[in-house]
Amino acid sequence: GAVVSQHPSWVICKSGTSVKIECRSLDFQATTMFWYRQFPKQSLMLMATSNEGSKATYEQGVEKDKFLINHASLTLSTLTVTSAHPEDSSFYICSALQADTQYFGPGTRLTVL
Amino acid sequence: GEDVEQSLFLSVREGDSSVINCTYTDSSSTYLYWYKQEPGAGLQLLTYIFSNMDMKQDQRLTVLLNKKDKHLSLRIADTQTGDSAIYFCAETLGAGNMLTFGGGTRLMVKP
Repeated sequence: GAVVSQHPSWVICKSGTSVKIECRSLDFQATTMFWYRQFPKQSLMLMATSNEGSKATYEQGVEKDKFLINHASLTLSTLTVTSAHPEDSSFYICSALQADTQYFGPGTRLTVL
Repeated sequence: GEDVEQSLFLSVREGDSSVINCTYTDSSSTYLYWYKQEPGAGLQLLTYIFSNMDMKQDQRLTVLLNKKDKHLSLRIADTQTGDSAIYFCAETLGAGNMLTFGGGTRLMVKP
């Protein structure tokens, strides 16, 4: 139980394009999902908290207009990186909250050329 | 603010025990977690402990919590090469709250 998937697992895009990453809780409903970003050889940094049916809460320094989050259902949250630039290249990981525990997706590696 | 620290690197021989340490600053932390990250992959929850516990054992894994010193450790018994990964400790103030991660400890297991 408590499986979280992400799609795609990796994506390469051109600078200036937008990329959507999906996070799904497969066998449970998650009112709350989190989006993290991991730079090479670094820890994870929380980007935003996604709550079903309401606006996401962004951490300080995270541009909400650049990283659009939609949590339209209890099993799906999406992160759209708009007008991507090479500095947005990173490993993006989502997690879904079940009871007291966050369960993580496998991550999406984004490379912006 | 919250701060979680770990040593960067640990190398052990196969069959030995590994002990990965973590310190945190927020005494309000209620849940403390250990996650494993294999190369290029997401995070796998290994185990967690509530702040009112001192120890938790789960097969080869033993978690020790010293709340007074704000020190958390993960002991892996009979370490195997498949245990080579980055291990993150994380803390949260409560269910539904964000996790604050340590920097991760890279465990290398030599045959």
